[in-house]
Amino acid sequence: SQQGEEDPQALSIQEGENATMNCSYKTSINNLQWYRQNSGRGLVHLILIRSNEREKHSGRLRVTLDTSKKSSSLLITASRAADTASYFCATDGPNAGGTSYGKLTFGQGTILTVHP
Amino acid sequence: KAGVTQTPRYLIKTRGQQVTLSCSPISGHRSVSWYQQTPGQGLQFLFEYFSETQRNKGNFPGRFSGRQFSNSRSEMNVSTLELGDSALYLCASSLGSPSGEQYFGPGTRLTVT
Repeated sequence: SQQGEEDPQALSIQEGENATMNCSYKTSINNLQWYRQNSGRGLVHLILIRSNEREKHSGRLRVTLDTSKKSSSLLITASRAADTASYFCATDGPNAGGTSYGKLTFGQGTILTVHP
Repeated sequence: KAGVTQTPRYLIKTRGQQVTLSCSPISGHRSVSWYQQTPGQGLQFLFEYFSETQRNKGNFPGRFSGRQFSNSRSEMNVSTLELGDSALYLCASSLGSPSGEQYFGPGTRLTVT
């Protein structure tokens, strides 16, 4: 079963617009990561935010984390056609009081289409 | 630094056969995790190996197994293939800390007919 739920399931925008994707999860976490996947290929790591961080930036990406609401958002600013991909959030749990080595639990993903 | 490599990239097998997939992690990474991705179930964790030991296992039947070698390369094996095993199999490597970043390979696309 999936830990997280992402919304929207699909997002279609024009180049230059901003894209916001949301992710919710169910259990406590140590960190949350965002990944991008282009058409059934491998996942590309975008950004990791730790549970004690509220916001993180990387280039055109901005991630926020609200542990009280168990939610995160990924903002891509000034989107480009090359940003067209599926975006996944992943948590390092569920954390049941111990470690969960090597296990990421993924949401179902948001399919982003950026039209030139 | 070279990324994670997986071989083969594509594979077609018949029901009942077995298959072995290979993953070479990023140099210096000692942890390898395996995931199955299907349209219906999404990305699901199979297992994780660190220094040749399985440290974590997902909820998959015993037909799915893996191992890791002293050079950190890993293999996963699926025996008695079923149609439902058709999927993209992804491996990811990391340094091995419990909550570290994982870096994924391009995946092996397995089709079972």
